[in-house]
Amino acid sequence: EAQVTQNPRYLITVTGKKLTVTCSQNMNHEYMSWYRQDPGLGLRQIYYSMNVEVTDKGDVPEGYKVSRKEKRNFPLILESPSPNQTSLYFCASRALGGTGELFFGEGSRLTVL
Amino acid sequence: SQQGEEDPQALSIQEGENATMNCSYKTSINNLQWYRQNSGRGLVHLILIRSNEREKHSGRLRVTLDTSKKSSSLLITASRAADTASYFCATGIQGAQKLVFGQGTRLTINP
Repeated sequence: EAQVTQNPRYLITVTGKKLTVTCSQNMNHEYMSWYRQDPGLGLRQIYYSMNVEVTDKGDVPEGYKVSRKEKRNFPLILESPSPNQTSLYFCASRALGGTGELFFGEGSRLTVL
Repeated sequence: SQQGEEDPQALSIQEGENATMNCSYKTSINNLQWYRQNSGRGLVHLILIRSNEREKHSGRLRVTLDTSKKSSSLLITASRAADTASYFCATGIQGAQKLVFGQGTRLTINP
């Protein structure tokens, strides 16, 4: 089954404790992206990647890092989380030469105390 | 403000009625897409309309695009309780490999 898998789905952590949210897709998609969703602000892009070893900032990259060492994986790293990073995070992927449809993971709800 | 802005922010109708949601955007686009999100879940792609298309249908969904007005509408006909969700438009920006999402319309279908 074609899917984007995120882990963890729920996480409560404390300020400053490094964490990684993993994302994996099994569709051989070149493009992967991270979004955060906040009430009243919709979905905002954090980082995206066009292919292995190619990453670029989205609209709200501050406080986040990503890496793309393998095509299927695109982890989101919060080196020193702060309360304003409490949010619902989504990973998404698509084929570059495809229809343009984004496939989303089920989301990771992060709370930073 | 956001590239894509949906209107209304919330819509509540009776089952069987039609639901119309609108989206306005600011810059030139390659395509416009509509997504659905059930509460707290991932977004699911519904339909894509390219910038050179004016109307597209998929089942009970009808999407229109007016590039001169930089606007799109999503019509859901014969609504069902299961259509209750948030609906987002997303614009594929010309010259950029990204989709920009609006804030969404929260649709409630009352049985």
